[in-house]
Amino acid sequence: AQSVSQHNHHVILSEAASLELGCNYSYGGTVNLFWYVQYPGQHLQLLLKYFSGDPLVKGIKGFEAEFIKSKFSFNLRKPSVQWSDTAEYFCAVNANDMRFGAGTRLTVKP
Amino acid sequence: GAGVSQSPSNKVTEKGKDVELRCDPISGHTALYWYRQSLGQGLEFLIYFQGNSAPDKSGLPSDRFSAERTGGSVSTLTIQRTQQEDSAVYLCASGINGGVSGDTQYFGPGTRLTVL
Repeated sequence: AQSVSQHNHHVILSEAASLELGCNYSYGGTVNLFWYVQYPGQHLQLLLKYFSGDPLVKGIKGFEAEFIKSKFSFNLRKPSVQWSDTAEYFCAVNANDMRFGAGTRLTVKP
Repeated sequence: GAGVSQSPSNKVTEKGKDVELRCDPISGHTALYWYRQSLGQGLEFLIYFQGNSAPDKSGLPSDRFSAERTGGSVSTLTIQRTQQEDSAVYLCASGINGGVSGDTQYFGPGTRLTVL
């Protein structure tokens, strides 16, 4: 079965800083890739997803992610974070079934 | 429209007791997933239902865990003889098409289980 690694457990940034959260997966075949976000006290919700086509995917709230097949990576980026981006971010990979990473907690200081 | 609902929202039980957690998926969604989220851990896949097919139980941690999905809709996750390590938030998600096609999952609010 595939596995997903998120190397950053907790990231602390100041507002307007740039963000990059790492996600690597292990699976040699075709995959679908997702980033989900869980804001404090709220449900998990989809941020963006990659199925095929342009490897640079744009999601809600100014987030984007780039699928680099050779690196088995799907890193999440945002050029300028806001305090409201404080949340937990989960990378997920769907090949034979769905697997989530351990999550990265992002704290944005005002 | 209505999203995924789960009940109860919180459950406190004593070690050794059985518990049942309920999930109502979004109407029309054929796929249903159960996950467990422990403090500091990611989402641990438990079980996946797709339509009338046999469920994928590969994530269930022990034979104390079981799940059913009646009529292709509501699902119940049962934990028998609960242990303290079962304490976690149990999340349910539903999807339109199921895992193979890279389905987007819609999550419920979860049930927080505490085993004393």
